[in-house]
Amino acid sequence: RKEVEQDPGPFNVPEGATVAFNCTYSNSASQSFFWYRQDCRKEPKLLMSVYSSGNEDGRFTAQLNRASQYISLLIRDSKLSDSATYLCVVLGTLSSGGGADGLTFGKGTHLIIQP
Amino acid sequence: DTEVTQTPKHLVMGMTNKKSLKCEQHMGHRAMYWYKQKAKKPPELMFVYSYEKLSINESVPSRFSPECPNSSLLNLHLHALQPEDSALYLCASSQMPGLAGGHEQYFGPGTRLTVT
Repeated sequence: RKEVEQDPGPFNVPEGATVAFNCTYSNSASQSFFWYRQDCRKEPKLLMSVYSSGNEDGRFTAQLNRASQYISLLIRDSKLSDSATYLCVVLGTLSSGGGADGLTFGKGTHLIIQP
Repeated sequence: DTEVTQTPKHLVMGMTNKKSLKCEQHMGHRAMYWYKQKAKKPPELMFVYSYEKLSINESVPSRFSPECPNSSLLNLHLHALQPEDSALYLCASSQMPGLAGGHEQYFGPGTRLTVT
């Protein structure tokens, strides 16, 4: 079973539309969750952390459902510059005592915003 | 300023060469990481350093040797690599957990490595 699963897309969406991505994770002990975006041949950039209560940052809203082990990202009023690959990311649980741990990435969802 | 720098940007090396990748951050972060990313795949964790000590090694072959000389620097020494080791090598850093936002990892631009 894959640790973090995402629909790879591509999602072709007209400019100004709302788009939603979903992701599921397999490790019920996971505690921290993130969305990163990655442009072609660039490094992943942190978009936002995901909290249980849900959180919003401008046009972006992230939600976490621990019971279903499900994470979502909503982008409103999409812009051409939102075209990228969106990576669902879960903090690992290898480290004992809550120390630093690596990230486990989903394969990413490719978003193309069309003018 | 969430900046992690990596050098070189590109590296081509033969299978008998020895080379090193360098990573630096000046954000006061106490955890640093190496990831490997193959084309069209997500990044995969290689090593984790916490307070300059190696805390996680994801069963990486010994031809990759990490080193953390101080809290700002992280190196990855390469020796006798194989063509399949060609990839983008990403460094990241984070504050230590327990602090507010301590888990967020910030990535450098990567070193694109080609092994011939």
